[in-house]
Amino acid sequence: SQQGEEDPQALSIQEGENATMNCSYKTSINNLQWYRQNSGRGLVHLILIRSNEREKHSGRLRVTLDTSKKSSSLLITASRAADTASYFCATVDYGQNFVFGPGTRLSVLP
Amino acid sequence: NAGVTQTPKFQVLKTGQSMTLQCAQDMNHEYMSWYRQDPGMGLRLIHYSVGAGITDQGEVPNGYNVSRSTTEDFPLRLLSAAPSQTSVYFCASSQNRDSYGYTFGSGTRLTVV
Repeated sequence: SQQGEEDPQALSIQEGENATMNCSYKTSINNLQWYRQNSGRGLVHLILIRSNEREKHSGRLRVTLDTSKKSSSLLITASRAADTASYFCATVDYGQNFVFGPGTRLSVLP
Repeated sequence: NAGVTQTPKFQVLKTGQSMTLQCAQDMNHEYMSWYRQDPGMGLRLIHYSVGAGITDQGEVPNGYNVSRSTTEDFPLRLLSAAPSQTSVYFCASSQNRDSYGYTFGSGTRLTVV
């Protein structure tokens, strides 16, 4: 069964716009991670946010975590065509179980 | 370059054949996992290992075996291939899942006919 569920399933935006993806989960977590996957490639780790953190930044990425709502969001600011990829959230619970959601496909149009 | 190396990149098997997908990492990571990725399903955990000599089942272990004789290597064996095992397989490793994310290999695209 899947722990994380991304929303939306697919997103198309123009270059320069911001992209927001959401992730909901069901059980208590130790941390939540976001990954990017370019077509035909492996996943690349983007950012990890712990359960006691509310917000984290890395370059043009901003991740928030609301444990009361069991949800997280990934914001990519000033999107570029190179940001076109699938984005996955993954949750790690206190039993060290690591579960991925189905992903959001982001298309950034030039 | 340091990382996770998977071989082969592509493989076609006939139903009933067996094979081993290789995975090696040179980062001295304790945690290693195998995932399969199917369209619309995200990644599903097949087997994982928390150190040499220790393995455990994930969400979809049936039809697969693993072993971890060294820290570096974590091969995945398909015992008798079935068309339902057509998928992309990823191996991943992590230093510590509390603090670090996974490093993924580039994947093996397997087709069973």
